[in-house]
Order: sequence, then C-alpha cells, then structure tokens
Amino acid sequence: EPEVTQTPSHQVTQMGQEVILRCVPISNHLYFYWYRQILGQKVEFLVSFYNNEISEKSEIFDDQFSVERPDGSNFTLKIRSTKLEDSAMYFCASSRDRGAYNEQFFGPGTRLTVL
Amino acid sequence: AQSVAQPEDQVNVAEGNPLTVKCTYSVSGNPYLFWYVQYPNRGLQFLLKYITGDNLVKGSYGFEAEFNKSQTSFHLKKPSALVSDSALYFCAVRDINLGTNFGNEKLTFGTGTRLTIIP
Repeated sequence: EPEVTQTPSHQVTQMGQEVILRCVPISNHLYFYWYRQILGQKVEFLVSFYNNEISEKSEIFDDQFSVERPDGSNFTLKIRSTKLEDSAMYFCASSRDRGAYNEQFFGPGTRLTVL
Repeated sequence: AQSVAQPEDQVNVAEGNPLTVKCTYSVSGNPYLFWYVQYPNRGLQFLLKYITGDNLVKGSYGFEAEFNKSQTSFHLKKPSALVSDSALYFCAVRDINLGTNFGNEKLTFGTGTRLTIIP
C-alpha cells in the first residue's frame, strides 16, 4: 500500500537556524498539507498546497514558514529562523482529490527539536 | 469555527470486550467527520469517515462510528477489542460550509485518546 514518507525522522537544530523538512506524498496525489503537533497538544493545520500554490494557511503559518514542491515527488516545509516554540512533530499529508469529504493520508512525522 | 473534543485521555478495555472512544464536535454548518489511528513511530492512519447518509459508518479493522447530530457526537466503537487495537486515536472534523466551493480543506483534530487493550 502506498505511503507518505518523511525525512528526517528527527531533526535537532539551534535557535535561529533554517530547517527544511521533506516529504514524499503518495505518487498520484495532487493536494498536499502540513500539520504540526506540539508535545501534549492538538494536531494543528499549517498549510495546504495545490498546483504550486498555497490554497489555505493557518495563522501559525507566518512569514517564517514556506512550502515548495521542488520536483515531481518532494514537498518541503522550510522554517527560515527557528524559534524554541517551533519544537514539535511535523506531519505531511496528501490527498488524491480536493473536497472536504476526502480523507488525507499522513506520513510518520518529523520531530523537530529547537535548542 | 470548528472544534473537536475527546473527553478521555486514556481508555482501558479488556481484550474481547466492546470498546468506545468518545468524540464530540462543534461546527457552524454541517460536519464531515473522520477517525484516525496512530501507532508508535507511524503516521496517522485513516480509519473511517462520515460524510452523509447512514449514521453508522464502518471502517478498517472492524471499527465503526455512530454519527449523532442531536448530540453532536461521533463515537468510535468496536464490538470486540484486540490487543493490537492499542494505539492513539484522533477524531477530526471539517465544516463543509466554510472555505471554497470545495469546502474547508483543513482538518481540525481532537487531542487524542490513548486506547489500551488489556490481555
């Protein structure tokens, strides 16, 4: 069964550094998402992406964040200058079709630790 | 706004007994409701969804969920629990009346319920 994959599984960085989290969505999916989960808190939506454009973003997704689909298979989340409060588990997801009734398929997550 | 509440952080059930994991939601319009499960070191796996139609929906691994509009609930159930069902379970909602013509894209999750099946 095809799966969403994410690398690395764990990233440790110093405050102020840039990080790039990588995701490979399911191959025939066209809609991509990032979520995050701060330890002990809810899974929170960050951004959705389709046709090389952001289609929706949350208030968390400020100018420090950016997303890109640099090639036909990868989907990345960049945090320009990390803060302590960016420490969280980051989940990538994809879906084949658009529409609120479609389920999203999630990757295993990248645990980001900002020191 | 849309929100989900999972009132129990932890649920313990003896193997072979029925299980219920509770979820209530709040939306301004009509909801699409989802259940996901997370095993250790794995991503969130889709279990089932309610879109429209029958209030009882069936999903993967023998799980089912009942949509109750008057109680704004979507409880996850299984008639006979297995030890392998032990995992973290998340309820999620989308409000179909928000967003674009395609509906609101973001999923809003509950805090999760850790289900432990005791042999």
